[in-house]
Parts: sequence; structure tokens; C-alpha cells
Amino acid sequence: EAQVTQNPRYLITVTGKKLTVTCSQNMNHEYMSWYRQDPGLGLRQIYYSMNVEVTDKGDVPEGYKVSRKEKRNFPLILESPSPNQTSLYFCASSLVDGGVSSPLHFGNGTRLTVT
Amino acid sequence: GESVGLHLPTLSVQEGDNSIINCAYSNSASDYFIWYKQESGKGPQFIIDIRSNMDKRQGQRVTVLLNKTVKHLSLQIAATQPGDSAVYFCAEKVEGTYKYIFGTGTRLKVLA
Repeated sequence: EAQVTQNPRYLITVTGKKLTVTCSQNMNHEYMSWYRQDPGLGLRQIYYSMNVEVTDKGDVPEGYKVSRKEKRNFPLILESPSPNQTSLYFCASSLVDGGVSSPLHFGNGTRLTVT
Repeated sequence: GESVGLHLPTLSVQEGDNSIINCAYSNSASDYFIWYKQESGKGPQFIIDIRSNMDKRQGQRVTVLLNKTVKHLSLQIAATQPGDSAVYFCAEKVEGTYKYIFGTGTRLKVLA
């Protein structure tokens, strides 16, 4: 089954304790991206990647890191989490096919609470 | 479930009626638009998309209308069913980029 898989689904941590949220897709998509979703706001992009070893900042990158060493994986790293990073996080992927746009496929989310 | 829908506008429709959900998009340079459905505890699920060279596209029970003049997008759901209850939001992609701008969403409640 074609899917984007995030782990863990729920995570509670304390301020300053480094954490990684994993994301993997099995659709051979070039494009991958991380978003956060907060009440009253639309999804906001954190980082994105157009292909292996190519990453760039989205709209809200502060406090986050990413890496793209393999095409299928795009982990989100919080080196020193803070309470304002408490949110629902989604990973997404899509094809990059010249100028033809394709829809984003989303994972089921990771609910992060930082105390 | 997740609390992302706390402050959303709500559309309540009777089962079997048609639903129309609207979205005003922000960027006149956007060339690709998507509607997503998000159920509690799940990630956004693709429903239907439309490119800027079209003004209407139909799927199974769903139709998307695009009015570029007023930057308006709508999703029509025919014969709404209880399983359609969810949050619906639109997304626009800015031409020449892979930047997506997402709407905040509308909660659809289907009344039995």
C-alpha cells in the first residue's frame, strides 16, 4: 500500500531533550516536506526537500532540522525542544514530474507535547 | 482526537443533501489547487485537484469549481453521507515553486 509513515504517533517530552520524528514513504517520491498544524492556523511548512541531499527552509524553520540521506526517509529533528513546539506534525511527499503538479500525500501525524 | 478543529467554521447539512464548501485563496500566481479531507486523528486525505487552466473538475460525488477572477475555490459534495463528516481545507501551489499555502478549513457535520 502506498503510504507515508510517521513515527511516533504521540510523543511527550521535556524542554531541551533532543528528539527525532521519522518519516518514510514508499512511493519513490522526490519531494518531501514537514508541516505543523495548530488550532486556527492552516498547515505551515517547516522544511522541504526536492531530492536526496537537497533541503530548504519553509515558513517556520526555527528550532528544527532535517536531513535527506535517502530518498524514502526525511526525519525531523528538534535539537532542543521548547513548549512552543507543542503541535501536530505532518510529513508529506509528492512526485516531482517536470512542471506537472501532483498532490501531496500525508502521513497520519505526530502529536508532540513539550513540557 | 486532535484539537486542530477547535476554531473552525462549521457547515451542517442533512444526510442526502448537497454540501458546498468554499475557500478564498490568496495568491494570484497559484496554478494548482487541492481539496483535502481530514478526519479526527488522521492526516489530510486527498479528495480532488484542479489546475488553473480549468474552471471545473468532477470526481466521484465531488466537484471542484475554480474562479480565478475572484480567487475562489469551492468543493461540492453530492448526496452527503455521514462518512463525509470531517474538516475540509483547500491548498494552493504557487506557480514555479513547490510552496503550498493551506486554508484553515471548514468542519462539515452531517445530520442524520
